[in-house]
Amino acid sequence: GENVEQHPSTLSVQEGDSAVIKCTYSDSASNYFPWYKQELGKRPQLIIDIRSNVGEKKDQRIAVTLNKTAKHFSLHITETQPEDSAVYFCAASLRDDKIIFGKGTRLHILP
Amino acid sequence: DADVTQTPRNRITKTGKRIMLECSQTKGHDRMYWYRQDPGLGLRLIYYSFDVKDINKGEISDGYSVSRQAQAKFSLSLESAIPNQTALYFCATGRTGDTQYFGPGTRLTVL
Repeated sequence: GENVEQHPSTLSVQEGDSAVIKCTYSDSASNYFPWYKQELGKRPQLIIDIRSNVGEKKDQRIAVTLNKTAKHFSLHITETQPEDSAVYFCAASLRDDKIIFGKGTRLHILP
Repeated sequence: DADVTQTPRNRITKTGKRIMLECSQTKGHDRMYWYRQDPGLGLRLIYYSFDVKDINKGEISDGYSVSRQAQAKFSLSLESAIPNQTALYFCATGRTGDTQYFGPGTRLTVL
């Protein structure tokens, strides 16, 4: 079946450095790619999304890039801060309009 | 996001008991979803509904059933709970081709 692979599963970066999380998807019809952040004990919340008609989108310290040919998309967080520590999920829409999630990346920001 | 609510927030039950988890939304979305979250496995889709008369199985529907009582209400039932159904359950709502908004989650423990 269709799936989304997410790497790495755990990522530790020094405060102030950048963090990159990568995902690949299998459904060539996918055209919507949201990213969610889940803090400990809380619900997943959308932080940024991108549609297939653009290659990059930025929102302050967060950016997402999409390579439709390679079926890759990535989340970039610059100037990381302690409050960026969380689990991040990538996701991709499927041709039947569901959304399928990656298994998550636990991001630790080190002081 | 108080627009999507789940009850109960926590539940401890015994093997073989019937359990119902409820979800309500005031966002006016047509689509509602039930996910299960286990450590390291991300968010897995149990059931989803695109409108009141539409119910579809997700990737892990065995042992679960749902009811869409109204556009705003979507309930998940475990007819005979078993320990490996211990997990965090999230309801989500959304519109066609758009992001999903999650409820606060229900932590279910089956002893």
